[in-house]
Amino acid sequence: FMLTQPLSVSESPGKTVTISCTRSSGSIASNYVQWYQRRPGSAPITVIYEDSQKPSGVPDRFSGSIDSSSNSASLTISGLKTEDEADYYCQSYDSSSVVFGGGTKLTVL
Amino acid sequence: QVQLVQSGAEVKKPGASVKVSCKASGYTFTSYYIHWVRQAPGQGLEWLGIINPSGGNTTYAQKFQGRVTMTSETSTSTVYMELSSLRSEDTAVYYCAREHESYHFDYWGQGTLVTVSS
Repeated sequence: FMLTQPLSVSESPGKTVTISCTRSSGSIASNYVQWYQRRPGSAPITVIYEDSQKPSGVPDRFSGSIDSSSNSASLTISGLKTEDEADYYCQSYDSSSVVFGGGTKLTVL
Repeated sequence: QVQLVQSGAEVKKPGASVKVSCKASGYTFTSYYIHWVRQAPGQGLEWLGIINPSGGNTTYAQKFQGRVTMTSETSTSTVYMELSSLRSEDTAVYYCAREHESYHFDYWGQGTLVTVSS
């Protein structure tokens, strides 16, 4: 299966942005979805795991959800800050493989 | 504290092999699976496979089967990823990552740049 994300999104500081991740086959609800933030030159860090759980240290401005009707997951970032500018990747799995979305470049301008 | 420390950058010629190491510390090495993920320049994250450090069982992504080998050494808490028959498209930063649960990668190595060039 594949996970499809928008190539890029942009929004102003203080606003809210939502990044989608659509699963091509199989139910989005069958396997957990993770979201990673990657800044240039750094390893990815988790911002959401198991669809909607937040690791300690991740601000409450970050939230995750899944929607079975559209077979997609979403990452929502509210109260945008310039430090949120990064690439965001969704990730899920099936019985034999791990799949990443193509990544979404978030610009906060 | 949990740490995954990878070996340094490599430059290889097409057709050669590369072996990248990932040394774990700060937790019980055999209790967590380790995955390998890479990112080529301008591309997204790509999964190569998984190894269970306890016993050495592996599963590889179909794309890399026959070219990738993952091994573990419990005496040094180190896992290795070897990629053979290198081509220019294998130029990428290679990461090891620890799986917490449900394929959630909670800790990542710092990355190892592998450059394939004649």
